[in-house]
Amino acid sequence: RKEVEQDPGPFNVPEGATVAFNCTYSNSASQSFFWYRQDCRKEPKLLMSVYSSGNEDGRFTAQLNRASQYISLLIRDSKLSDSATYLCVVNVFNAGKSTFGDGTTLTVKP
Amino acid sequence: GAVVSQHPSRVICKSGTSVKIECRSLDFQATTMFWYRQFPKQSLMLMATSNEGSKATYEQGVEKDKFLINHASLTLSTLTVTSAHPEDSSFYICSALDRGNEKLFFGSGTQLSVL
Repeated sequence: RKEVEQDPGPFNVPEGATVAFNCTYSNSASQSFFWYRQDCRKEPKLLMSVYSSGNEDGRFTAQLNRASQYISLLIRDSKLSDSATYLCVVNVFNAGKSTFGDGTTLTVKP
Repeated sequence: GAVVSQHPSRVICKSGTSVKIECRSLDFQATTMFWYRQFPKQSLMLMATSNEGSKATYEQGVEKDKFLINHASLTLSTLTVTSAHPEDSSFYICSALDRGNEKLFFGSGTQLSVL
C-alpha cells in the first residue's frame, strides 16, 4: 500500500461545478499537509497548505481529518483554468521526508 | 519568483553522453532535495532523496551508478545521467524542502531527449 493515496480520476466536470478530491495517508507521524497543482509538462506548484481547522482560499477549501488520516480539497464554481493534476503532499516534520500521491486529474469542460 | 532554479530546461544529446542537471534553492538553505522523473501522462516518480553532505538515498529500481547525485552545498544538488540512452528520455524535476515552513518547492524541470 502506498503511503499517500489519491483517486487518480480523471474527474470531468462542467464549468461551475463543485468537485472534491480526497487523499489518504498511512504515516501517523505526518504533520504537515499541502495541495499542489501540476499543469501538463510543468512543475508542481503549491496551491495551499492544509490546516487542522480547515482553511479556505477563494473557491478552494482544504480540510484535514487526523483521526481518519485524510485530507480533502474542494473546488467550487470550477473554471476551465482549474483543469490540472492535483497532488497532495504529506510531510513528516523534521524528518526531511516529503511524500505525495500520484495525483488526481481534473478536466473542466465548457 | 522562483525559489528553486533548475537548469538546463531542455537537453538534446546523443546516446552515450552524460548530462548534468543542476538544482539550486535561491531563498533558503535546503538540506534535503528530491529528484523525480516523469513520463508523459504519468505521475511524478521519486528517484532519490539528496541530503547535503551525505550520500543520496535511492528509491528501489533506480540505479545509483546511472544517476549520480551530488549535494555538495546547502543550495545546490546535481543529477548526472551517465551514458544516457533513449530510454532515459524523460522530464526530470527537482524539489527542495524548506525546513522553515515544511513546504516543498519545485524546479521548473528538465526535458531530456536522448537520440
